Amino acid sequence: AQTVTQSQPEMSVQEAETVTLSCTYDTSESNYYLFWYKQPPSRQMILVIRQEAYKQQNATENRFSVNFQKAAKSFSLKISDSQLGDTAMYFCALRVGGSNYKLTFGKGTLLTVNP
Amino acid sequence: DTGVSQDPRHKITKRGQNVTFRCDPISEHNRLYWYRQTLGQGPEFLTYFQNEAQLEKSRLLSDRFSAERPKGSFSTLEIQRTEQGDSAMYLCASSPQLARQGEAKNIQYFGAGTRLSVL
Repeated sequence: AQTVTQSQPEMSVQEAETVTLSCTYDTSESNYYLFWYKQPPSRQMILVIRQEAYKQQNATENRFSVNFQKAAKSFSLKISDSQLGDTAMYFCALRVGGSNYKLTFGKGTLLTVNP
Repeated sequence: DTGVSQDPRHKITKRGQNVTFRCDPISEHNRLYWYRQTLGQGPEFLTYFQNEAQLEKSRLLSDRFSAERPKGSFSTLEIQRTEQGDSAMYLCASSPQLARQGEAKNIQYFGAGTRLSVL
């Protein structure tokens, strides 16, 4: 079975500053994918960034980047130059390869960006 | 392409009643997923379709729950004899088997969800 743990229920950051959200996971599979999804208040969940486990290079998407530590089973999200629109719940999720396509989510971190 | 659409957005029902939710996936996405999200928790997987075939069901999906995708397009999730513990957000997601241009592979695209309140 897969598990995903997000140990920070809430975080806050000042606009334009940098914040890092933590995520650890556990799986016995060698082929898997990791994701960060963002869920703004009363809006649908959208993908922020993803990482394939076989890739050593950390994924980046504009202001968003990850620190993928495979041996430690850690997958943190760094948001640079935080904007008010980044305020949302952030979920870390894991999908193992093969025919099992379901996502296993953590409990989420509520990020508030303050002006 | 309008994204994943879910209807209704909100449903209030009395305990013991049956409810049905609908999900329209992104056009040509052959994979469809249902998740349940309770307050303060991340989404939990319920079931998964590839085309019209239901390939996996979670143990969370009791006998009162049934999902269908009869023509491999839209899907319905029915809850019979609702209980207060069924109150949650029900999320639908879809993904393509093969990524189209401009679309990332292995990505699930989520709808806005149906919020169910059982009184």
